[in-house]
Amino acid sequence: KQEVTQIPAALSVPEGENLVLNCSFTDSAIYNLQWFRQDPGKGLTSLLLIQSSQREQTSGRLNASLDKSSGRSTLYIAASQPGDSATYLCAVRDRGSTLGRLYFGRGTQLTVWP
Amino acid sequence: EAQVTQNPRYLITVTGKKLTVTCSQNMNHEYMSWYRQDPGLGLRQIYYSMNVEVTDKGDVPEGYKVSRKEKRNFPLILESPSPNQTSLYFCASSSYRGNTGELFFGEGSRLTVL
Repeated sequence: KQEVTQIPAALSVPEGENLVLNCSFTDSAIYNLQWFRQDPGKGLTSLLLIQSSQREQTSGRLNASLDKSSGRSTLYIAASQPGDSATYLCAVRDRGSTLGRLYFGRGTQLTVWP
Repeated sequence: EAQVTQNPRYLITVTGKKLTVTCSQNMNHEYMSWYRQDPGLGLRQIYYSMNVEVTDKGDVPEGYKVSRKEKRNFPLILESPSPNQTSLYFCASSSYRGNTGELFFGEGSRLTVL
């Protein structure tokens, strides 16, 4: 069974900083990894999806990398803005003993202040 | 517009009164799943379905039932709700083709059981 860990649990930075959020998983047998954003009391919005055969994906100021062999992914946010304040979650789709199951980390709560 | 729709969005009920939370997707996705989200515990999977008439338990299935009679619908049934089922519930779906599908979430259903 996968264990997904996100570090740090919370992060508070001034506007304009470049950020790195970390996600690690225990079993490298995955189909893909997905990063989400969640605003308070709202649903999850997909940010980036990285297939197991890919190393990174980019969307605007966001860049996500995947190192499957070491069980790590990072989400890089360039030039952070107050509107980026939210909780960021990662999820892996298992390819191992629990085929097809998705496992979530507990998230990194990001606050970007002006 | 591609979407996952949950109803109701908000519900207050009393212990023991059966209720159903509906979930519908319009993307012809094979995979559908229910999660609950609680402070400090993150997202936990209740049940998931790989396709019509195929369902399986997630991490916290006790007290819940599901059915998948049609591809687009995946209702969550609480036969006899209890206060510990007070939570924020999310339905999600993805294409299961090759297990590569991006996961899409509904807006959430906030349930309070008194």
